[in-house]
Amino acid sequence: GAGVSQSPSNKVTEKGKDVELRCDPISGHTALYWYRQSLGQGLEFLIYFQGNSAPDKSGLPSDRFSAERTGGSVSTLTIQRTQQEDSAVYLCASSLWGPGTGELSYGYTFGSGTRLTVV
Amino acid sequence: AQKVTQAQTEISVVEKEDVTLDCVYETRDTTYYLFWYKQPPSGELVFLIRRNSFDEQNEISGRYSWNFQKSTSSFNFTITASQVVDSAVYFCALAGSGTYKYIFGTGTRLKVLA
Repeated sequence: GAGVSQSPSNKVTEKGKDVELRCDPISGHTALYWYRQSLGQGLEFLIYFQGNSAPDKSGLPSDRFSAERTGGSVSTLTIQRTQQEDSAVYLCASSLWGPGTGELSYGYTFGSGTRLTVV
Repeated sequence: AQKVTQAQTEISVVEKEDVTLDCVYETRDTTYYLFWYKQPPSGELVFLIRRNSFDEQNEISGRYSWNFQKSTSSFNFTITASQVVDSAVYFCALAGSGTYKYIFGTGTRLKVLA
């Protein structure tokens, strides 16, 4: 597609429920990132996928969070047993290559995010 | 440890005024990259610029200019003759060489009043 697409744009869920957030990166982009933006905070790195390499999950805040990327394209971020502190905007980004390459000079392309509210 | 500080939480200016957004960073890497992103009300972050640590040349793009000073670990962003469309949250970010995790500042909300 022309840009990074995220769905849903808004999600309200009850505490304790599971949620799935979807990211469609730009076609051909091999690197995909998830960030979380909490109110008044900067963007917090969650996870990174690069091609067929094992993802870097070091930013995931707890084992309730998981993510997968199927076929090197679409990614799903899953939050199990949601808590109120999970409320945030979840942003996905993609880039043509990983870091240390020329693509870094162009930066990431971000989606518009999914606003998650846990009530 | 790497850190990005944007001390200005919110700035309001009147249209046509110049405004500077401050960014101070901390890193022990000798090679690193600095970025500015714009987040308009729609929510999507828009890439504005990247700077390499070994290139201290200032850059101008239309009404936008960036001042990179390694001596003060700062990478400030100036908008000349601001316009209402410049209203957004602006984020400064840092990435070390060979890493892929951007370290973002907390952002500066710019309000340009007509």
